[in-house]
Amino acid sequence: QLQLQESGPGLVKPSETLSLTCTVSGGSISSSSYYWGWIRQPPGKGLEWIGSIYYSGSTYYNPSLKSRVTISVDTSKNQFSLKLSSVTAADTAVYYCCRITMVRGYQGVDYWGQGTLVTVSS
Amino acid sequence: EIVLTQSPGTLSLSPGERATLSCRASQSVSSSYLAWYQQKPGQAPRLLIYGASSRATGIPDRFSGSGSGTDFTLTISRLEPEDFAVYYCQQYGSSPGLTFGGGTKVEIK
Repeated sequence: QLQLQESGPGLVKPSETLSLTCTVSGGSISSSSYYWGWIRQPPGKGLEWIGSIYYSGSTYYNPSLKSRVTISVDTSKNQFSLKLSSVTAADTAVYYCCRITMVRGYQGVDYWGQGTLVTVSS
Repeated sequence: EIVLTQSPGTLSLSPGERATLSCRASQSVSSSYLAWYQQKPGQAPRLLIYGASSRATGIPDRFSGSGSGTDFTLTISRLEPEDFAVYYCQQYGSSPGLTFGGGTKVEIK
């Protein structure tokens, strides 16, 4: 059974960089059938896609966040990571890592991590 | 950029009733790229439907999706107690990018 687990600081100061890692277990991150992504959800609000990465390292970012986001992959550790720079209180959210399945076309975000709350505050 | 508008914002129904949730896109969306998710408090979203009408693994057949172009619908034929939750539609676009609707909360009447 595939599992995804987010890890990283739960508190980040304004103007600093938020860094999270997603560890994938029960399956390989190096598969041509999947993208790996980050999605966030501010408290009490809806879902926002941050960006996605392919195992080859190709990245795709939400245009509204692109200038501040970097997503990377480490296939040797079966992990991928998120960095979001110059954070403000508006970046306070639950951050989810996820798998996006592309087998015979788009088949949805079918696996999610449990989510980790990141609070931006001094 | 495609915007997804979900309606109603809140749906108040009783167990056993039929729920009909709407998702309208600001421009035409390929049915192949439209998905629906269920989210309960404190949990990650769960994939229900992809390709507008295909149920994900393990999803009961009381959940069904339909629609094309700019109008999509998620139907829950008979609400079970565990179905009261927030539902999101989502579109997969170029790049590849994901866009979510604002959500519909299905609450117990």
